[in-house]
Amino acid sequence: EAQVTQNPRYLITVTGKKLTVTCSQNMNHEYMSWYRQDPGLGLRQIYYSMNVEVTDKGDVPEGYKVSRKEKRNFPLILESPSPNQTSLYFCASSLSLGQSYEQYFGPGTRLTVT
Amino acid sequence: AQSVAQPEDQVNVAEGNPLTVKCTYSVSGNPYLFWYVQYPNRGLQFLLKYITGDNLVKGSYGFEAEFNKSQTSFHLKKPSALVSDSALYFCAVRDAAAGNKLTFGGGTRVLVKP
Repeated sequence: EAQVTQNPRYLITVTGKKLTVTCSQNMNHEYMSWYRQDPGLGLRQIYYSMNVEVTDKGDVPEGYKVSRKEKRNFPLILESPSPNQTSLYFCASSLSLGQSYEQYFGPGTRLTVT
Repeated sequence: AQSVAQPEDQVNVAEGNPLTVKCTYSVSGNPYLFWYVQYPNRGLQFLLKYITGDNLVKGSYGFEAEFNKSQTSFHLKKPSALVSDSALYFCAVRDAAAGNKLTFGGGTRVLVKP
């Protein structure tokens, strides 16, 4: 089944404790992206990657890191999480960055930072 | 800068009645417009898109959307709503002039009552 998977689905952590949220897709998509969803703000892009070893900042990259060493994986790293990073995070992928391609989303990771 | 507005936080409709979810956009170039739906505890699912051509676009689950260039709108419609259509709906726009960035609206919650 074609899908985007994220782990963990739920995570409660404390301020400053480094964490990684994994994202993997099995559709051979070139383009992958991370979003955070906050009430009333819709989805805001954190980082995106157009292909292996090619990443770029989105609208809200501060406090996050990403890497794209393999085409299928795009982990999101929070080196020193803070309470304002409490949010619902989504990974997404699409065939390419072309305008007409829709994105496929993972199930989401609900992160709470205390 | 591109933007998307969904003026209604919530839309309530009785089952069997027509459903409309409003979306207006602002871009500097030609818009590529998308609708996504999010069911509880799930990721976003693609519903439909407008790239070019016919202004009336048909998508999944009986939804359709009408692109109106003069009003810069892309309203989502369904002739007869189902209780199972209750979900959070997001409009998104991609502007080639802005590096193909995808910008989401704040979302509209749809509640269909039996």
